[in-house]
Amino acid sequence: GQNIDQPTEMTATEGAIVQINCTYQTSGFNGLFWYQQHAGEAPTFLSYNVLDGLEEKGRFSSFLSRSKGYSYLLLKELQMKDSASYLCAVPVTGGFKTIFGAGTRLFVKA
Amino acid sequence: KAGVTQTPRYLIKTRGQQVTLSCSPISGHRSVSWYQQTPGQGLQFLFEYFSETQRNKGNFPGRFSGRQFSNSRSEMNVSTLELGDSALYLCASRLTPGTGNTGELFFGEGSRLTVL
Repeated sequence: GQNIDQPTEMTATEGAIVQINCTYQTSGFNGLFWYQQHAGEAPTFLSYNVLDGLEEKGRFSSFLSRSKGYSYLLLKELQMKDSASYLCAVPVTGGFKTIFGAGTRLFVKA
Repeated sequence: KAGVTQTPRYLIKTRGQQVTLSCSPISGHRSVSWYQQTPGQGLQFLFEYFSETQRNKGNFPGRFSGRQFSNSRSEMNVSTLELGDSALYLCASRLTPGTGNTGELFFGEGSRLTVL
């Protein structure tokens, strides 16, 4: 079957770095997405990894290890506006379905 | 370019009633998927449509159904509503994954359904 695990909540301090982990079990692999969702808003796309390694995009980076079924999202220079839920998502092999982890709620404190 | 539009944004129904939710995808996006979001369960996949055909379906009872029209607009219907159907229903559209695009989902703001 398909399963995605992420921590439920994390707290970090403004200006710091935080790493949000995601482990997944899938039959086949077609890439991994990270989405950000602020309270009361729609999820928005952050990053996509299909090959092993680190993808950097400004203050946000995402890492993938396919052999370990593991990814992380790294947020640098945290700002208060980064307080949100971060969702790890994996498309199912064969297409036309993406499954999501339950999400990690990040609280950024001053 | 306009984003994904969902209507209505909020609605209140009573048990046993039925509801229809509408989704207009981004122009050019032919895949439309639906998700149920609740605080305890996160985003649960309902179904995905492409070219007016349901291509995949999640583990929901037959009370949950949907369809897609020739202009890619989609509707979902929930019949015989139960209290547990109270949730945020999110629609997302995407380009078919291929050269030059990752197939990421673009979400609408959602329809918040409350069942009393």
